[in-house]
Amino acid sequence: NAGVTQTPKFQVLKTGQSMTLQCAQDMNHEYMSWYRQDPGMGLRLIHYSVGAGITDQGEVPNGYNVSRSTTEDFPLRLLSAAPSQTSVYFCASRSNRDRPYNEQFFGPGTRLTVL
Amino acid sequence: GEDVEQSLFLSVREGDSSVINCTYTDSSSTYLYWYKQEPGAGLQLLTYIFSNMDMKQDQRLTVLLNKKDKHLSLRIADTQTGDSAIYFCAERSSSASKIIFGSGTRLSIRP
Repeated sequence: NAGVTQTPKFQVLKTGQSMTLQCAQDMNHEYMSWYRQDPGMGLRLIHYSVGAGITDQGEVPNGYNVSRSTTEDFPLRLLSAAPSQTSVYFCASRSNRDRPYNEQFFGPGTRLTVL
Repeated sequence: GEDVEQSLFLSVREGDSSVINCTYTDSSSTYLYWYKQEPGAGLQLLTYIFSNMDMKQDQRLTVLLNKKDKHLSLRIADTQTGDSAIYFCAERSSSASKIIFGSGTRLSIRP
């Protein structure tokens, strides 16, 4: 299994540009989520999905869109990039089944800079 | 709403014990986790504890939970240079899908 994969690893955008951060998992996990990591702020939840066709907002959803047309993929779209969206973005997935530890698996991250 | 708090930095001498503390606000938290993030990498689950447990030990790691005070700690015995990382405390209630993370504690090791 590849686990959780994210592309690209690095991206530089100009203010106002749009782009999509890709995330895929091959573990048949129902639950997927996007976080952003900023210094001193830890991980903040942007959007999450409990299954194909279902998405919901996290703590900081403004400026981001998501969709979940398949179990495997959960892309994150920036419609009009702003410097405040400069961050490291992590995608994560886990099974919805209530396993003892319910481990959430993380991708390697995408480092985004908005100029 | 839910909140998880951690101190940002901890520095310990190699071979000493490290204790990383965390407080949380959600009294319905069922699962409490410690994740480790090494430089340039994503997060990996280190250990976990259920809310009906007080302590869990796993080799050099000891997790203590004080449910009354909503306080969680991670003790790393005989801290090594490979333990340098950011450690995140996280919680999830059994009724919620999402996991709430703290700000992370950066552990640095002095020779």
